[in-house]
Amino acid sequence: KQEVTQIPAALSVPEGENLVLNCSFTDSAIYNLQWFRQDPGKGLTSLLLIQSSQREQTSGRLNASLDKSSGRSTLYIAASQPGDSATYLCAVTERNYGGSQGNLIFGKGTKLSVKP
Amino acid sequence: EAQVTQNPRYLITVTGKKLTVTCSQNMNHEYMSWYRQDPGLGLRQIYYSMNVEVTDKGDVPEGYKVSRKEKRNFPLILESPSPNQTSLYFCASSSLQGGETQYFGPGTRLLVL
Repeated sequence: KQEVTQIPAALSVPEGENLVLNCSFTDSAIYNLQWFRQDPGKGLTSLLLIQSSQREQTSGRLNASLDKSSGRSTLYIAASQPGDSATYLCAVTERNYGGSQGNLIFGKGTKLSVKP
Repeated sequence: EAQVTQNPRYLITVTGKKLTVTCSQNMNHEYMSWYRQDPGLGLRQIYYSMNVEVTDKGDVPEGYKVSRKEKRNFPLILESPSPNQTSLYFCASSSLQGGETQYFGPGTRLLVL
């Protein structure tokens, strides 16, 4: 059964720092991996999606990498800002028998606080 | 504007009283899904649908029903709600064309007394 783990559970950094959030998964037979952001009391906003055949994706100050063989993904945030404070969730889409898209399995998230 | 809408946003009910949470998307997405989010347990998938009349169980389907009669709608039905179904519920949708992320609704906070 696929399990997704995120470390650390919480992180506090001063403004301007570069930081890395980690995600690991137990089954490498994935369809894709996504990183989401969730603000308190709000829904989820997609940040980056990496297909199983890709190694990384970039959007602005964000860069996500994927290493299927080791079951790991990282989300790199450059020059962090107070507005980046939120919970960041990693989610793996399982690959069904036959190769189709299956369940989406979430990690429990990393709560990031960026201090001014 | 591309969006996923859920109704109601907040709901207080009593044990055993049937309820439906509606979900609608305007992006012509094939894939729709329901999740519940609980402290310490994170987000867990309840049911998903790959297209009209096609639904599959997620990780925690017990006590829930869904239907997909139209492409844009995917209601979540609790036939006999119990207090352990008190949670924050999210609906999501995506294209199955590849490379598409999931779009999430704003959430429905349910309290079952």
